[in-house]
Amino acid sequence: AQKITQTQPGMFVQEKEAVTLDCTYDTSDPSYGLFWYKQPSSGEMIFLIYQGSYDQQNATEGRYSLNFQKARKSANLVISASQLGDSAMYFCAMGLSFNNNDMRFGAGTRLTVKP
Amino acid sequence: EAQVTQNPRYLITVTGKKLTVTCSQNMNHEYMSWYRQDPGLGLRQIYYSMNVEVTDKGDVPEGYKVSRKEKRNFPLILESPSPNQTSLYFCASSTGRDNSPLHFGNGTRLTVT
Repeated sequence: AQKITQTQPGMFVQEKEAVTLDCTYDTSDPSYGLFWYKQPSSGEMIFLIYQGSYDQQNATEGRYSLNFQKARKSANLVISASQLGDSAMYFCAMGLSFNNNDMRFGAGTRLTVKP
Repeated sequence: EAQVTQNPRYLITVTGKKLTVTCSQNMNHEYMSWYRQDPGLGLRQIYYSMNVEVTDKGDVPEGYKVSRKEKRNFPLILESPSPNQTSLYFCASSTGRDNSPLHFGNGTRLTVT
């Protein structure tokens, strides 16, 4: 069965600095996808970035990048040039490619950006 | 605007009083699902549906029912709510194909006293 682990319940970062949010996963399936979502204090879930297990390059979306290390089964989210609006809960999730509907989430990391 | 609409946003009820949380999507998505979010546990899947009249249990289905009579709607039913079902609930949809992210509703915060 798939499992997602986020070991950092809370993280602090100074405004304009970069921060890495950790995510490790466990699956025996060779084909899967990794997702990151942001949940601001207002509660909605916002999709940030996706990485496929066969993708050769790390995914990037604006200030977000995914540091994908397949051998180590890690998919860390890197946020560059942090902004106050980045303060939120961040969830890592994994779905199997043959059944992307069965998506599993980590426990989340609460990021606080300090001015 | 493409969206997933959940209602109500907030609900306070008493133990045993049946309730329904509605969910509707306007993106013609085949896949819909319900999650509950609890502190320290992330999001856990309750039920999902791959298409009309096709539903299946997720990780925590006990105490919940769903139906998918139409493609756009996927209501969550609590026949006899209990305090341990106090949680934040999310409905989500996607195309169900590879790489497709989930589109979430705004959530329903349920309190059962």
